Amino acid sequence: QVQLQQWGAGLLKPSETLSLTCAVYGGSFSGYYWSWIRQSPGKGLEWIGEINHGGSTNYNPSLKSRLTISVDTSKNQFSLKLSSVTAADTAVYYCARGYIYYVPAVYSYYFDYWGQGTLVTVSS
Amino acid sequence: DIQMTQSPSSLSASVGDRVTITCQASQDINIYLNWYQQKPGKAPKLLIYDASNLETGVPSRFSGSGSGTDFTFTISTLQPEDIATYYCQQYDNLPLTFGGGTKVEIK
Repeated sequence: QVQLQQWGAGLLKPSETLSLTCAVYGGSFSGYYWSWIRQSPGKGLEWIGEINHGGSTNYNPSLKSRLTISVDTSKNQFSLKLSSVTAADTAVYYCARGYIYYVPAVYSYYFDYWGQGTLVTVSS
Repeated sequence: DIQMTQSPSSLSASVGDRVTITCQASQDINIYLNWYQQKPGKAPKLLIYDASNLETGVPSRFSGSGSGTDFTFTISTLQPEDIATYYCQQYDNLPLTFGGGTKVEIK
């Protein structure tokens, strides 16, 4: 059974760096894209970015200048760092496994396992 | 970015009712669309992938259809445990984007 367990600081001051880590238990770490997704209070879902086991990343352009996603394959973990946070970055942050399947004419990409979520509050 | 517009934003229905949610993409996304269910305080759960494929273990009262820009999600017979917010999500292009959500309540 695949489980994603995430942790990190829940209260930050403006201009600090948000740092979260997600550990993957069960299943393979390779062959998937590992994503961070956030949800602002009372609002919808925003994809932040992703990384694969080889370290290849894709970022949301809206956050790219402040964003670093990294991977530690020896521990089956991946991490999120978001610099210079403001109150607008207050949200529940989720890690998730992205299942990708692509052959000619067939393409699937969905999030099948999620972490429990971490509420990050930015306040002075 | 591809914009995903869901409607309605909320609805109230009786147990046993048929519930339909629509999701419109700002450009053609083929069938590259998923549906998730989110209950309060929980992470989203995958229900439908590739627009119409039911995830393993998900009850058959949930279904999805559509292609191109217009998609539909249906609960054939609403159950009390279906109270949640439902989101569509496109994967045709990065950045991946979600619809604004539809909150389903019991009347």
